[in-house]
Amino acid sequence: TQLLEQSPQFLSIQEGENLTVYCNSSSVFSSLQWYRQEPGEGPVLLVTVVTGGEVKKLKRLTFQFGDARKDSSLHITAAQPGDTGLYLCGLTGGGNKLTFGTGTQLKVEL
Amino acid sequence: NAGVMQNPRHLVRRRGQEARLRCSPMKGHSHVYWYRQLPEEGLKFMVYLQKENIIDESGMPKERFSAEFPKEGPSILRIQQVVRGDSAAYFCASSPRGGHAVTGELFFGEGSRLTVL
Repeated sequence: TQLLEQSPQFLSIQEGENLTVYCNSSSVFSSLQWYRQEPGEGPVLLVTVVTGGEVKKLKRLTFQFGDARKDSSLHITAAQPGDTGLYLCGLTGGGNKLTFGTGTQLKVEL
Repeated sequence: NAGVMQNPRHLVRRRGQEARLRCSPMKGHSHVYWYRQLPEEGLKFMVYLQKENIIDESGMPKERFSAEFPKEGPSILRIQQVVRGDSAAYFCASSPRGGHAVTGELFFGEGSRLTVL
C-alpha cells in the first residue's frame, strides 16, 4: 500500500508570511495532484505535476515535484487569509484510486 | 453548467436507520468516485463506479455499505443500520475519464454530512 504523508499537519501563520508544506510518498508515483479544500466545500484541484523535478507556479503558489518522484512541496508566498484551507496532495499510482495524503490544515490570520 | 451535485447536504439519522446519499456527476462525466472524510482528516477512497458497473470497491466496508450508479439517475451510496462511527462527510467526485488517468482531474461535490445520533 502506497502511503502519503503530509507535513506539517497544522500551520497557523500571519498574513504576509511565506510557508512550505510537504507531501512524501513511500514509493514512486506517476503523477501527483494538489487540492485545496475550504470549510464546508469539496476539494478543488490546484495543479497536477507529472515530470520529476517539475516546478509549476500558480500566482503566489509554487509546486515542486521531487526528482525521484517520491515527494512534492507547495510553497506559498505572502500568504493571505483567502489561502486558509486544507491542502491535500493526491497521487495516481497503480490501480484506480486517487489516494490522498493526510492533509495540511492552513490558517492565515490578519 | 452545473458541477457535481450531492444531496442531501446534511442528513441526521438514528442508530439502526438507513442513509442514502445521492450524487449527480457533471454533465458528460460517466465515472463517479465516493470518498469519506472524518473531521480534521483527509479523504479516504471508498468506491469507483461507471454506469451500471462497480469498478473498484476496495475502500468500502464489507458490511452495511453499498453503492450503485444506474443507467439513469444519480449514483447512490447506501448505508444500512448506521452506527455513530459512520458520522462523516461523504464526497462524490466525477471525471470524464476513468482509472484516474494520468492527469485526470476529479471534480468534487460539496459533500453530504451524515450525523448519526
